[in-house]
Order: sequence, then C-alpha cells, then structure tokens
Amino acid sequence: NAGVTQTPKFQVLKTGQSMTLQCAQDMNHNSMYWYRQDPGMGLRLIYYSASEGTTDKGEVPNGYNVSRLNKREFSLRLESAAPSQTSVYFCASGTGFNQPQHFGDGTRLSIL
Amino acid sequence: AQSVTQLGSHVSVSEGALVLLRCNYSSSVPPYLFWYVQYPNQGLQLLLKYTSAATLVKGINGFEAEFKKSETSFHLTKPSAHMSDAAEYFCAVSLNDMRFGAGTRLTVKP
Repeated sequence: NAGVTQTPKFQVLKTGQSMTLQCAQDMNHNSMYWYRQDPGMGLRLIYYSASEGTTDKGEVPNGYNVSRLNKREFSLRLESAAPSQTSVYFCASGTGFNQPQHFGDGTRLSIL
Repeated sequence: AQSVTQLGSHVSVSEGALVLLRCNYSSSVPPYLFWYVQYPNQGLQLLLKYTSAATLVKGINGFEAEFKKSETSFHLTKPSAHMSDAAEYFCAVSLNDMRFGAGTRLTVKP
C-alpha cells in the first residue's frame, strides 16, 4: 500500500527557477491538498482540490499554482522560486476537510 | 475563521510519566478536531478525531483526548509515556478548511 507518494524527496533550486512537485494517491480519495511546513508555524494550506477538475486557494497560495491532473494526481508548481518558499511541502488526500487526511512523506525544498 | 493554539512548543517527560499536550481552539460553531503525530522525516499520521459522538476520544498508541466545549479545549493525554512516543504532535481544527497548531515536540527521558 503506497498511500500518498511525493516526488522528489529533496530539491535545491536557485532563485527564479521553476519546478513542479508531484503527488499521487492510490486510495481513491476525492480530495487532495498541498501544505507547507515551517518551523514554529505548523502546516499551512496552500491549495486544495475537493474533487477532480476543481482547485481552490488555501491560506497561503501566493507564488504557487496547482493542477489536478486526474483523480490520483495533484501537482504543485513554483513558477519563479523565492528564498521565502524554502520549506517542507506535504501532499495529503482525504474525503473532505471534516475527515482525516493521509499525508505523504514530504518534499524538502531549499531555494538559494 | 477557525484557529488552534497549542500551549508549549516543547514538553519533556520521563518514561512512565503522564503525557499532557494542550490544545485550545477558536471556532464560531462546533468544529471537527484532530490530533496528528509526526516522526522525523515523515508525514503526519492521525492519532484521533473528535466528531461530537463522544467527548472522550480514544486513539492509537494509548492516547486519548477530551473535548471540553466550555473551555474550548481538546487536550491530548497518555497515562504512561514510552520512549517511542517521542515525536512532534499537531492539533488541528476543521470547518471549511483545516487549520493546524504550531506543534508540540515531545521528548521522553529514560
């Protein structure tokens, strides 16, 4: 049982570069989420997709875009990376905000 | 919007001692409440969830939490700490989205 799989696990970028973080789930969940985790701040929601074909902004969407490619896959794109986007990024899936979410192991992203 | 506050960024207990991790929430209506645990270099795992069916919720690994509406609290407890409980714990509140607390790092001393 893979659950939620995130790639890559680690990445170092230079300021201004772009990249896409990939996430896939095999639990047939309708909803998928992207969070960032920063020390002392817990997890903050960047974007979410309540169902295939829909995406919505979360608490901290600026500087990010997302694509819900199909029911399984939800990607997060940084168009022009900034040092403030250095963080650990988590993807999660579930059946709605009022239900538990299942998390991947994270992508550790450093922007120099 | 709802919010959650975890009191104490670090808690240290001796093995076998009571674990108490504090969480207070703010919400205009009764929310859904969760506790998650995070081990190093891993994602979050669900410990337990409150959904209004019962005020005392039992979770995995011997943890439980009590919902107290009058105190807007959802504190996490375990009667006897084990070395394997050392991790970071997050309280979360959910209405139209999920809001996490800043986390409490639990250290267990032998």
